[in-house]
Amino acid sequence: DVVMTQSPLSLPVTPGQPASISCRSSQSLVYSDGNTYLNWFQQRPGQSPRRLIYKVSNRDSGVPDRFSGSGSGTDFTLTISRVEAEDVGVYYCMQATHWPITFGPGTKVDI
Amino acid sequence: EVHLVESGGGLVQPGRSLRLSCTASGFNFGDASMNWFRQAPGKGLEWVGFIRSKAYGGTTEYAASLKGRITISRDDSKSIAYLQMDSLKTEDTAVYYCARGARLPDPWGQGTLVTVSS
Repeated sequence: DVVMTQSPLSLPVTPGQPASISCRSSQSLVYSDGNTYLNWFQQRPGQSPRRLIYKVSNRDSGVPDRFSGSGSGTDFTLTISRVEAEDVGVYYCMQATHWPITFGPGTKVDI
Repeated sequence: EVHLVESGGGLVQPGRSLRLSCTASGFNFGDASMNWFRQAPGKGLEWVGFIRSKAYGGTTEYAASLKGRITISRDDSKSIAYLQMDSLKTEDTAVYYCARGARLPDPWGQGTLVTVSS
């Protein structure tokens, strides 16, 4: 199975300041169709996961443009350009290039 | 608007079975592959299994740790995906989510809590 690691696991943030989360996979996430199925999810307290970014860098509809994704191969980053109070929650990277789908352990973002 | 609603959770004794449902609306369910995930209390996300659309054979993939105890099926006429869980164990206690899509699961439902306890 592909092992996903995230760092840091806990991220205290200050509103208005940038924040970034790193995600690494144990093998390349480039699929045979040329796509890289690395997605980012946000889970606010008491809510179900919400997809923020798909295929590394594509922001989902309704996601504020302060969220961005980057990376390639085995190294990926989620960046929040200016953190807001509503960004508190746990962020997960997920790979769906290889079966089984696997997730990172999550990064808890709090103010 | 795409909407997924899970149901069927509850308190169940170890060794018993449970069938969860994922009722979809707002899209052509028959064209969609459907994933199931779970999240144990205070823990991270775990993939459970997946069913392809009929156009791709309606075949399934399961997490190795659950294979043999779960069955995912679908009723396209009702826009429902099912997760049948047998021989439940206490470690199956979790919120179970369904999500549309294979490699790009979105959106997710609100989840249904399954508690396995005597």
